Amino acid sequence: DIQMTQSPSTLSASVGDRVTITCRASQSISSWLAWYQQKPGKAPNLLIYKASSLESGVPSRFSGSGSGTEFTLTISSLQPDDFATYYCQQYSTYTKTFGQGTKVEIK
Amino acid sequence: QVQLQESGPGLVKPSQTLSLTCTVSGGSISSGSYHWSWIRQPAGKGLDWIARIYTSGSVDYNPSLRSRLAISVDKSKNLFSLNLSSVTAADTAVYYCARDRDSLFDSWGQGTLVTVSS
Repeated sequence: DIQMTQSPSTLSASVGDRVTITCRASQSISSWLAWYQQKPGKAPNLLIYKASSLESGVPSRFSGSGSGTEFTLTISSLQPDDFATYYCQQYSTYTKTFGQGTKVEIK
Repeated sequence: QVQLQESGPGLVKPSQTLSLTCTVSGGSISSGSYHWSWIRQPAGKGLDWIARIYTSGSVDYNPSLRSRLAISVDKSKNLFSLNLSSVTAADTAVYYCARDRDSLFDSWGQGTLVTVSS
């Protein structure tokens, strides 16, 4: 299986900050990468697909970039509703795999 | 807007079979080019894709669980189901069903906690 590694595991930030989360794949996945947001006790919500395409209804402050093995999720100006855990997911291979998550907490 | 709802026992004994159902509302399970997946999340941990079913009845299974899995769809009832046999404590998790748009999970159920314990 392709291993997905996110960094950092936890990120402390303030409202208005620019936040960047990194996801690395153990082998090339082209642009077959998605990002999800999960709040406590809730199901994940799809934010970004194909590395940089914004899912319908997702605020434009979220953006994604990268290809191959290294990807980033950027929140341009962190809002109170954005404090959550973020997961990357590769869908390049038969077995879809997720990163371990990055928790964005209030500084 | 499509909605998904998991149902099934919250407690399963070791070595027994975990059985869950996902009921889809707000749209036909057969409409569009969607598939239907199960994903689980152990407490405090990340997400693991379990299996996918196509409305044709074809299935994709996570190889690590394949020998214990069975997934089915009932188009007349607009639902799909998961059976995981020979469970152990390692199978304790929140189980989610999700709409699968070419391996993107764009709608999810609320999740159901299944605990494996005697």
